[in-house]
Amino acid sequence: DAGITQSPRHKVTETGTPVTLRCHQTENHRYMYWYRQDPGHGLRLIHYSYGVKDTDKGEVSDGYSVSRSKTEDFLLTLESATSSQTSVYFCALRAREGMNTEAFFGQGTRLTVV
Amino acid sequence: ILNVEQSPQSLHVQEGDSTNFTCSFPSSNFYALHWYRWETAKSPEALFVMTLNGDEKKKGRISATLNTKEGYSYLYIKGSQPEDSATYLCAFNGGGGTSYGKLTFGQGTILTVHP
Repeated sequence: DAGITQSPRHKVTETGTPVTLRCHQTENHRYMYWYRQDPGHGLRLIHYSYGVKDTDKGEVSDGYSVSRSKTEDFLLTLESATSSQTSVYFCALRAREGMNTEAFFGQGTRLTVV
Repeated sequence: ILNVEQSPQSLHVQEGDSTNFTCSFPSSNFYALHWYRWETAKSPEALFVMTLNGDEKKKGRISATLNTKEGYSYLYIKGSQPEDSATYLCAFNGGGGTSYGKLTFGQGTILTVHP
């Protein structure tokens, strides 16, 4: 366990509303990631962060923004939620520096956009 | 967009069978290749991280090989058990500059082991 928690765990929201998901870590790890899980697609990278205020886009970043103003929190915002963003969202982090470091995942957030 | 492909998409085997699946990835700008096991209603957990061409890793009945020159990795399960049923994901860590930490997953292979 790399001390990673996601909140909320479940959320139902209406189309067009902004939504923010939070990923919190208790250690001082550098790399953090947001993925979405959809059937047939495995995990698709939305955004990732390689340090405070340092973020980069993944393969499915449209409609999402992120912020990392402090090491321990990586926030994912759906600017105006759409039904296509109904998914399970996973946060991950790399617990050590270097190329041979595995990722640890949070418990996931199930988001439903109605 | 990085192309990380896994095959087959799903696999059904009988208890005791040995099985293997494939992950293909870009052969350029390679840093590491990861394998994860993902059980239903849980979070993915790392099996292996491989960085060198020719790497072989083993954990119990599960092993993996890596060929970075041709861009593929194999995951083998010897004597499959029902508790091996899960989705197996590979992830490619590559790219230059700020993409150093980027981890791109394949779509996964769903393994079902029948008693």
